[in-house]
Amino acid sequence: GAGVSQSPRYKVAKRGQDVALRCDPISGHVSLFWYQQALGQGPEFLTYFQNEAQLDKSGLPSDRFFAERPEGSVSTLKIQRTQQEDSAVYLCASSVYPGPKNIQYFGAGTRLSVL
Amino acid sequence: TQLLEQSPQFLSIQEGENLTVYCNSSSVFSSLQWYRQEPGEGPVLLVTVVTGGEVKKLKRLTFQFGDARKDSSLHITAAQTGDTGLYLCAGPMNYGGSQGNLIFGKGTKLSVKP
Repeated sequence: GAGVSQSPRYKVAKRGQDVALRCDPISGHVSLFWYQQALGQGPEFLTYFQNEAQLDKSGLPSDRFFAERPEGSVSTLKIQRTQQEDSAVYLCASSVYPGPKNIQYFGAGTRLSVL
Repeated sequence: TQLLEQSPQFLSIQEGENLTVYCNSSSVFSSLQWYRQEPGEGPVLLVTVVTGGEVKKLKRLTFQFGDARKDSSLHITAAQTGDTGLYLCAGPMNYGGSQGNLIFGKGTKLSVKP
């Protein structure tokens, strides 16, 4: 596709449910990032993939959060046993190559609401 | 800990007015970026400033990087309703910066009224 695509756009979950959020990056982009954006805040880094390798997961807030990119393209962010504090917009971004000189293109995000 | 502080947090102005928003840090950044985010969308990159003292212009938007590379400003001349949005500054994290991980400020929510 022309841009980064995320699905679903909106997800409502009951507390304790597991959710899976999908990101389709721009074709051929090596780097893929996940960010979490709480209401009224800027995005916060969660995790980074270079191709299929998860090189940095330092931003994941707890072991309930898990991400994968098994074939180096589509990525899934999974949250187990969701809590109310997980409510946020989850943004995915991709760039052609690693490094701050490469533009990150963001998807529209998935808005997760945990009731 | 790297932090980017943006001010003001909210700004409501009339069309045609000028405005400046600020992004400050106690840390040195190799570069800073400005993004604009509209409701329901992801951030879109406006500009990257790299050299201390650098000034970049994008139509009515003027971006400046501080000499010490710790701060930046965005000035909009003759604001239009289409400028409404959340303006975010961001810079590469020291840890993981070679990967491109970004740290963001909390943003300035700009509303331009007709």
